[in-house]
Order: sequence, then structure tokens, then C-alpha cells
Amino acid sequence: DIQMTQSPSTLSASVGDRVIITCRASQSISRWLAWFQQKSGKGPKLLIYGASSLQSGVPSRFSGSGSGTEFTLTINSLQPDDFATYYCQQYNTFPFTFGPGTKVDVK
Amino acid sequence: EVQVVESGGGLVQPGGSLRISCEASGFSLSTYWMTWVRQAPGKGLQWVANINPDATGKIYVDSVRGRFTISRDNAKNSLYLEMNSLRAEDTAVYYCARGGGSGSVFDIWGQGTMVTVSS
Repeated sequence: DIQMTQSPSTLSASVGDRVIITCRASQSISRWLAWFQQKSGKGPKLLIYGASSLQSGVPSRFSGSGSGTEFTLTINSLQPDDFATYYCQQYNTFPFTFGPGTKVDVK
Repeated sequence: EVQVVESGGGLVQPGGSLRISCEASGFSLSTYWMTWVRQAPGKGLQWVANINPDATGKIYVDSVRGRFTISRDNAKNSLYLEMNSLRAEDTAVYYCARGGGSGSVFDIWGQGTMVTVSS
């Protein structure tokens, strides 16, 4: 199975900050990488697919980059609605696997 | 509005069975792969099972293979997960998601249904 790791596990930030979350895959997944946002008690929301394509309706302050085994999610100018947990997920090979998550909380 | 809504969760004893459902609206289920993903309390996300549009292809994570069965009724725009021989470690919120074929991202998620396995 492809193992996904994320860093950091927790990130404390302030409104207006630029936030960068890193995701690594244990083997190459090309660009078959998605990013999700999850808030407490809610289902995940797709933000980015294909490593860098912005899902319709998602604010442009979110961006993704990377290919192969290393990927990043960047949030420019963090907004109050962005405090949440973020997961990466590979959909290159079954079983599809998720990273352990990065919680973005208030500094 | 495009959405999926899960139902049928509850408390079940170890070794018991439960069937959960997912009803889609705003799109035709028949053209999409569909997926179940679960999340144990306080933990991360785990993909559980996928089914292709005509139900001829089903894929499971190793830990549920042989105990869980994913199915669909495209006429009812509904997805199902039959869970047998339930264990405490199956306790989780179960989410239905649209997508899941190779190269197909999970783009629509429900709010989840809680399954608790406990005596």
C-alpha cells in the first residue's frame, strides 16, 4: 500500500498568515493527489485535485503543487473560515490512502 | 443541489450486522463510481470500498473484505454498505462519496452516519 505522510501534524496560525502543508507519498503517484478540508462534525470538502487543480467554488487563496512523491497545499492570507483539519489523499493506486491530517488552529 | 445523504447508522453488538444507505440527489448515480470512507472517533480518514457504475466491479480494503458488501440501486439513486461480523474497530462515522475509480477524485461527500459496535 502507498503510505501518505503529512507535516506538520498541527499548525498554529493567525488570520492573514500564509500557511504551507506538506504531503509525501511512499512511492510515486504522479499527480493523482487530492486535498480535503474537514471541519468538526462535517464531511470532508474537496479543495484541490490532480495536485494543483482548484475545485469549483473553492477560494483562490488555496493552491496546490507537486508531483511524484512530494506535494504542498498553500493557503494565502488565512481566513477565519480556514481553521480546520486538512488531509491529502492519493488516488493513483488501490487501496486509496489518506494522510494523517494537519490541524490548523488559532495562534 | 448535488448532494448525498447517509442513513441507517446505529448501535450494534459485536458480531452483529447493519446496513447503511446513501441517497443521491441532483445527479444520476448511474454514471459514477461511488465510495464508502470511514473515520473512527478522533482519527483520520480510511477508504473502505468502491463500486463501479454498473456494479460489476467492487473493491475493498483488506480489513473489511469478506465481511462488508457494497452495492447500489441506480434506479433508486442509492448506494449501500452491508456490514456483517462487526467488530469494535469498525466503530466510525461512515461517509458516502461520489467518485473513486482509478483517477477519479471524491468530489461530493455526505455528512456521515455513525456506526457504533459495542456490547
